[in-house]
Amino acid sequence: SQQGEEDPQALSIQEGENATMNCSYKTSINNLQWYRQNSGRGLVHLILIRSNEREKHSGRLRVTLDTSKKSSSLLITASRAADTASYFCATRQGDMRFGAGTRLTVKP
Amino acid sequence: DTAVSQTPKYLVTQMGNDKSIKCEQNLGHDTMYWYKQDSKKFLKIMFSYNNKELIINETVPNRFSPKSPDKAHLNLHINSLELGDSAVYFCASSHERGAATDTQYFGPGTRLTVL
Repeated sequence: SQQGEEDPQALSIQEGENATMNCSYKTSINNLQWYRQNSGRGLVHLILIRSNEREKHSGRLRVTLDTSKKSSSLLITASRAADTASYFCATRQGDMRFGAGTRLTVKP
Repeated sequence: DTAVSQTPKYLVTQMGNDKSIKCEQNLGHDTMYWYKQDSKKFLKIMFSYNNKELIINETVPNRFSPKSPDKAHLNLHINSLELGDSAVYFCASSHERGAATDTQYFGPGTRLTVL
């Protein structure tokens, strides 16, 4: 069964704006990861946050994790047209479990 | 150099045929995976495999079988293809299945269309 569920399913913003995507999951986890998928391509790992961490940064990416609410958010600041892609959260409990993704469109 | 490669990129075939998709990784990883991504973009794990253990998702029909000639390769063989098998299939690899800080590296995908 799917583990992570991303929200919203689709998000459209203007270049320069911030984009926030949320992920909810159902069971306890070891870590949560975010991946990006450009159209017609495979997934690319963006960032990993461990279950004992609450926030993590990588460049323009900021990830938060709230294990009490079983949720995570991915914030992309100062978005660019090149950020247009689908974003997936994945949780690891043994094997990796992915959600259906948020499709982000950044308009130039 | 491509880290995880798959061939073919596109595969169009008739119902009932048998086909294979090849996957190779040059990352020295111990574990490889096959995922199926349907039209709604859900990504579901089908198999994870290292030289010690094959884990099969119980929902995967036995028409699907992974074959690993060596640590760097995990091919996917599909018998008696059905319309519902149409999807994009991704191969991935990681250092160690279930590792606390492990990440996965994905291939570019193979779009399978069954007519």
